[in-house]
Amino acid sequence: DTAVSQTPKYLVTQMGNDKSIKCEQNLGHDTMYWYKQDSKKFLKIMFSYNNKELIINETVPNRFSPKSPDKAHLNLHINSLELGDSAVYFCASSQRTGRSNQPQHFGDGTRLSIL
Amino acid sequence: SQQGEEDPQALSIQEGENATMNCSYKTSINNLQWYRQNSGRGLVHLILIRSNEREKHSGRLRVTLDTSKKSSSLLITASRAADTASYFCATDNQGGSEKLVFGKGTKLTVNP
Repeated sequence: DTAVSQTPKYLVTQMGNDKSIKCEQNLGHDTMYWYKQDSKKFLKIMFSYNNKELIINETVPNRFSPKSPDKAHLNLHINSLELGDSAVYFCASSQRTGRSNQPQHFGDGTRLSIL
Repeated sequence: SQQGEEDPQALSIQEGENATMNCSYKTSINNLQWYRQNSGRGLVHLILIRSNEREKHSGRLRVTLDTSKKSSSLLITASRAADTASYFCATDNQGGSEKLVFGKGTKLTVNP
């Protein structure tokens, strides 16, 4: 009965490779997010989708491409991985009501390590 | 840029004691949220307090908000070892985008 699930939990790969992280939520939420948490625990939003539409796109290299096939799924594809991409990536979801933010529900993260 | 800043960065207390964490932010907000992150896990929402509220309680948690000082505090009473985690505040931006901006967190250790 996991609410927000992301796979894989761990991802170890070589520099230059392309990889994808998948996220699914079964909460019926309209909005999904990708965050990056660095080694100092600083959490920064990358993207947000509402009903498959991109609504937040922070200053993220275009090597990162989100894709939302439906409102329950938000995947993240990363091309040409670099050492600086090593981090924990979190998917989250929330219900969207106007412009006021609602509580977000997070997955347990994908730990990406670039060798 | 708008960002919550938690204080202290780290806090170590004994079981049974109270823990207070503070958060300061820079711009007007619609609401402020507190989250907990256990080691190796995702963030868990604790409390949301709206800009027109001054105090909110949930079990052993008490959150205050002072919009004139652009600050909030999270008080955990009668702490337990299981409260050991990092605690983050997150703010939106009134009139701005819908994103949440997280602070750098306070790492709380509750010693048994």
